[in-house]
Amino acid sequence: NAGVTQTPKFQVLKTGQSMTLQCAQDMNHEYMSWYRQDPGMGLRLIHYSVGAGITDQGEVPNGYNVSRSTTEDFPLRLLSAAPSQTSVYFCASSYRLAGTDTQYFGPGTRLTVL
Amino acid sequence: GNSVTQMEGPVTLSEEAFLTINCTYTATGYPSLFWYVQYPGEGLQLLLKATKADDKGSNKGFEATYRKETTSFHLEKGSVQVSDSAVYFCALSDQVQGAQKLVFGQGTRLTINP
Repeated sequence: NAGVTQTPKFQVLKTGQSMTLQCAQDMNHEYMSWYRQDPGMGLRLIHYSVGAGITDQGEVPNGYNVSRSTTEDFPLRLLSAAPSQTSVYFCASSYRLAGTDTQYFGPGTRLTVL
Repeated sequence: GNSVTQMEGPVTLSEEAFLTINCTYTATGYPSLFWYVQYPGEGLQLLLKATKADDKGSNKGFEATYRKETTSFHLEKGSVQVSDSAVYFCALSDQVQGAQKLVFGQGTRLTINP
């Protein structure tokens, strides 16, 4: 199993550009989520999905869109990048919704918005 | 809301030293508690977890006990190695709009010198 994969690893954008961060998992997990990691702030939840066709907002959703057309893929879209979106982005997945479940993280995408 | 507070870093120790990284939490109910580790250039991976009061999680020589009375989940290791150098995150499980999410502390960077 490849686990959770993310592409690209690094990206530089100019303000106002759009892009999609890719995330895929091959563990047949129902639950997937996106976090951003900023210095001194831990990780914060952006969006999550409890299954194909179902998505919802986390605590910092503004400026991001998601969709979940298949169980495996959960892309994150930046519609109009802003410098405040400079961060490291992590995708995660878990088998169920249960609070005891381990979440598996991808290697991250480091995004810089100029 | 629920929150996690970790001891501030960075922490620098010599090889074979004893390690403690403090973590306290604020939560309603009884969440599961986790320690995740992030090695340089990688995503987060689960180090250990505890799902109820007085449970002890352990892995790779690390231990943490879920203390309800002190709302703490301190990470300990008796003899650290250079390979333990990483960023450590304490986290708890929380429910947001019916779905599970992780609430992270700000992370503690640990450096072990030979």
